[in-house]
Amino acid sequence: EDQVTQSPEALRLQEGESSSLNCSYTVSGLRGLFWYRQDPGKGPEFLFTLYSAGEEKEKERLKATLTKKESFLHITAPKPEDSATYLCAVRPGTSNTGKLIFGQGTTLQVKP
Amino acid sequence: NAGVTQTPKFRVLKTGQSMTLLCAQDMNHEYMYWYRQDPGMGLRLIHYSVGEGTTAKGEVPDGYNVSRLKKQNFLLGLESAAPSQTSVYFCASSYGGRAKNIQYFGAGTRLSVL
Repeated sequence: EDQVTQSPEALRLQEGESSSLNCSYTVSGLRGLFWYRQDPGKGPEFLFTLYSAGEEKEKERLKATLTKKESFLHITAPKPEDSATYLCAVRPGTSNTGKLIFGQGTTLQVKP
Repeated sequence: NAGVTQTPKFRVLKTGQSMTLLCAQDMNHEYMYWYRQDPGMGLRLIHYSVGEGTTAKGEVPDGYNVSRLKKQNFLLGLESAAPSQTSVYFCASSYGGRAKNIQYFGAGTRLSVL
């Protein structure tokens, strides 16, 4: 069964304290792994797509990496405005319609 | 350019009542999706559409119906609401081809069924 598990569920950091969020997946053929950011009361906002092991993407203080079993979202020197829930999703190889399987998310709080 | 717009934003229903949630996108996307988001469960796909006039079941379709009569609109219906359908509902849309992987989401509809 295709599955996505994110850890930790919640993470509290001090401003400037770097850390990583984990997304482990089990999927029958991976057509893509996606990271989204979700602010309270809003819909998810697309961050990155990764397609193959070894691939990396960066955007400001965020860097996403991919292996054959997991993805990491590295946050370098976070700021309070980085506080949000980060969602990981995979598109299985069996999906020809863009269907995604989402993890439960990691809620990040960055304190000043 | 509004992107994906969902109406209404909030709704309270009594058990057994019916309602329709509207999703509209102005990006000329082929694919549209309806998800529900519950605490600890993540986003789960209810129904989706790969083009005007087509619909298909997702992971949790029971108790819901959908229609895509126009390319830009995707409607989600609850015929007889139940407390288990209390949730936040999100609509998303995407292009076809490899770009179809990037889904753009609306702001959500918060539904309570009493």
